[in-house]
Amino acid sequence: DAGVIQSPRHEVTEMGQEVTLRCKPISGHNSLFWYRQTMMRGLELLIYFNNNVPIDDSGMPEDRFSAKMPNASFSTLKIQPSEPRDSAVYFCASSPPLGRRGTSYEQYFGPGTRLTVT
Amino acid sequence: GESVGLHLPTLSVQEGDNSIINCAYSNSASDYFIWYKQESGKGPQFIIDIRSNMDKRQGQRVTVLLNKTVKHLSLQIAATQPGDSAVYFCAERTGGSYIPTFGRGTSLIVHP
Repeated sequence: DAGVIQSPRHEVTEMGQEVTLRCKPISGHNSLFWYRQTMMRGLELLIYFNNNVPIDDSGMPEDRFSAKMPNASFSTLKIQPSEPRDSAVYFCASSPPLGRRGTSYEQYFGPGTRLTVT
Repeated sequence: GESVGLHLPTLSVQEGDNSIINCAYSNSASDYFIWYKQESGKGPQFIIDIRSNMDKRQGQRVTVLLNKTVKHLSLQIAATQPGDSAVYFCAERTGGSYIPTFGRGTSLIVHP
């Protein structure tokens, strides 16, 4: 399995521009998470989808951020307009369905997208 | 005042030594705990997990200890190798929630 795939790996953009980050979860996984990581705030959950439906978006910083999951194999995180304080590494992670005994909550993380907004 | 970046706790060890990385959690209702390893330029990677009905679990070269009385979790790495150099995060889940809460992380540096 190729693991969680994210693109682009690096993005440099100017303030005010729209940024779209992309994620392909592991096939068969039904939960998808978007995280943001900075030195100041650590790893923050932005939004969580289950079966393509947004379940918890309380971590989305503000209306400039939006996320979609049109199907089980693709999700996007969009920032419009971008600001310098959005500079961070953005991770996508996916999880398989819980087993009958709910044995594992393991998340599989992608390599991340390093976003720099100047 | 001026804001400053938060520095991660750092543990420096010699190759071959055993390493112990500690994590304190705050929610006494947490019932599932996970350790992740994050190498430079990569996403966090699952190492080992433990449920609250256990106090110890062993993997390959790693052992996780859970002390619910003092809400403390530790990760022990035996015979630490340079490839173990990374940031290690503990995460906790509560009551069947699918969403983990991640700790700040500890940087492990292994000197050859």
